[in-house]
Amino acid sequence: GQNIDQPTEMTATEGAIVQINCTYQTSGFNGLFWYQQHAGEAPTFLSYNVLDGLEEKGRFSSFLSRSKGYSYLLLKELQMKDSASYLCAVIAYNQGGKLIFGQGTELSVKP
Amino acid sequence: DAGITQSPRYKITETGRQVTLMCHQTWSHSYMFWYRQDLGHGLRLIYYSAAADITDKGEVPDGYVVSRSKTENFPLTLESATRSQTSVYFCASSLTRPADSNQPQHFGDGTRLSIL
Repeated sequence: GQNIDQPTEMTATEGAIVQINCTYQTSGFNGLFWYQQHAGEAPTFLSYNVLDGLEEKGRFSSFLSRSKGYSYLLLKELQMKDSASYLCAVIAYNQGGKLIFGQGTELSVKP
Repeated sequence: DAGITQSPRYKITETGRQVTLMCHQTWSHSYMFWYRQDLGHGLRLIYYSAAADITDKGEVPDGYVVSRSKTENFPLTLESATRSQTSVYFCASSLTRPADSNQPQHFGDGTRLSIL
């Protein structure tokens, strides 16, 4: 089976750094995606990790450790517009390569 | 560039009715997906399609029917709607199967379906 865990909610201050963790247990891992979803809108792609290490993309970075079944999304220089839900999704290779989503982390950025 | 569009955006219907949610993409993506999103469950896969006339079940397929006669369209039908199917439904598409590359899925804006 598969299980993906993320914190339900987080709060951070504008201008700060926040780290959103995702742990997973899957039978057959083949990559991990992070999506951002603003309230009432569609999820949008942020990052993809398949190898261990850090992928940096502007203010956002994503890290993966396959041996630990662990990923995090790092958001720097937080802005109010970063208030959104952040979804971790794992490719479960033994499930036909489908994406399995975590429940999402609701991030609130305060002034 | 329309991308991926869903219709209707909002729908209210009654239990027992049949309702069809439409999804259309202009990228010629091979793969298309239907998800439902509920509080406490995140996004759950209902059905997906690898190409025209090829569909397969996801995690929660019961009560739903799909078809894909053309690459660009992937309608989802609730044959006899139940209150438990009240949800937000998202259609998505991708160039390849998720396991084959880093190609992300692109999502439509969703259909908010309420079943009374």
